[in-house]
Amino acid sequence: ELKVEQNPLFLSMQEGKNYTIYCNYSTTSDRLYWYRQDPGKSLESLFVLLSNGAVKQEGRLMASLDTKARLSTLHITAAVHDLSATYFCAVGARGSTLGRLYFGRGTQLTVWP
Amino acid sequence: DSGVTQTPKHLITATGQRVTLRCSPRSGDLSVYWYQQSLDQGLQFLIQYYNGEERAKGNILERFSAQQFPDLHSELNLSSLELGDSALYFCASSPRQYSGANVLTFGAGSRLTVL
Repeated sequence: ELKVEQNPLFLSMQEGKNYTIYCNYSTTSDRLYWYRQDPGKSLESLFVLLSNGAVKQEGRLMASLDTKARLSTLHITAAVHDLSATYFCAVGARGSTLGRLYFGRGTQLTVWP
Repeated sequence: DSGVTQTPKHLITATGQRVTLRCSPRSGDLSVYWYQQSLDQGLQFLIQYYNGEERAKGNILERFSAQQFPDLHSELNLSSLELGDSALYFCASSPRQYSGANVLTFGAGSRLTVL
């Protein structure tokens, strides 16, 4: 079974600082997603990464994928309070159906002034 | 509003009981997925239906079953409930089964509390 490890699980950072969340997975994958979840809410899709070296950016968030290392990173630049949420990476095994995803445990991010 | 509708939003019931969670996928989406989110297990894939047929099964207990109806809405049935079944149950949908560029659209979830 595909294993997905995220770290850190908890991240408290000051506004304006940079930080990176890491997502490692155990076997070959053909797709990796990053989702955001606010407390008690649903999951919102942030990025889809499909190929080695893929990089996607939206605002202060940038995601990248290294399929050889089986590693994705979510980099936060100059954090603001609105980014406080839990971030999940989710990985699909190669050849599996689209929504058959394995999720990491999530990184709970708190941004303070 | 994501377009994926789940009911009920909250449900409190007793051990041993049976409940049904309902999901209407986004308009045009043929595939429906059920996920369970709990503190113990995190987010786990339960089952997938595509155009009325079961297509993939994950860590779904035998006490749980699901189906997708001709109008594409889906129901997840949970029976002989135990305390450990308390969780947030998400439904998600997608237009197709295979296409990595497509993302899942998640509903708001149904929070089940078993007392």
